[in-house]
Amino acid sequence: AQTVTQSQPEMSVQEAETVTLSCTYDTSESDYYLFWYKQPPSRQMILVIRQEAYKQQNATENRFSVNFQKAAKSFSLKISDSQLGDAAMYFCAWLLLTSGTYKYIFGTGTRLKVLA
Amino acid sequence: DTAVSQTPKYLVTQMGNDKSIKCEQNLGHDTMYWYKQDSKKFLKIMFSYNNKELIINETVPNRFSPKSPDKAHLNLHINSLELGDSAVYFCASSQGIRSNTEAFFGQGTRLTVV
Repeated sequence: AQTVTQSQPEMSVQEAETVTLSCTYDTSESDYYLFWYKQPPSRQMILVIRQEAYKQQNATENRFSVNFQKAAKSFSLKISDSQLGDAAMYFCAWLLLTSGTYKYIFGTGTRLKVLA
Repeated sequence: DTAVSQTPKYLVTQMGNDKSIKCEQNLGHDTMYWYKQDSKKFLKIMFSYNNKELIINETVPNRFSPKSPDKAHLNLHINSLELGDSAVYFCASSQGIRSNTEAFFGQGTRLTVV
């Protein structure tokens, strides 16, 4: 069974500093997608960044970047120059596209606190 | 213009009642989902529909019945509500093609069963 693990229930970072959130996953598939979603107190799920497993290059979106290690099945999110608005729950998610089952599997989430 | 909208946002009801949550997406996506987020924030898939056809049913009690009248709508009806059904329910949609794999979520419906 495919699983996604986020081992850090909670993380804190000083404003303007850098923080890395960890995510590991378990799958025997080779073609899949990985995502980081942010859920602020408003409850809305917002896509932060996406990575295709067939691409070796790590995805970046402004202050957000990932470290994708396919062999290690690791997908960490680095937030640079942290801002107060980054405070939220962050969920790592895995999607297998080719199976026809269309299921996003989420990790348990990491609550990020940003300290002023 | 909201991409995925679900109503109501909040729902408080008594045990034993029957309730429905509605979801609509205007993104033209083929696939829609219902997820349940429990009090510990864990998101678990309940159902997935592709072009109005059920393709995933994750061992959800049969008190929960999804209905997709067309590919833009996926409603969730819950019979005989129980205390353990209290959670936030999210509707989502995606296109399911390589160029567009992002899932878009509604704002969630917080269901409280008393």
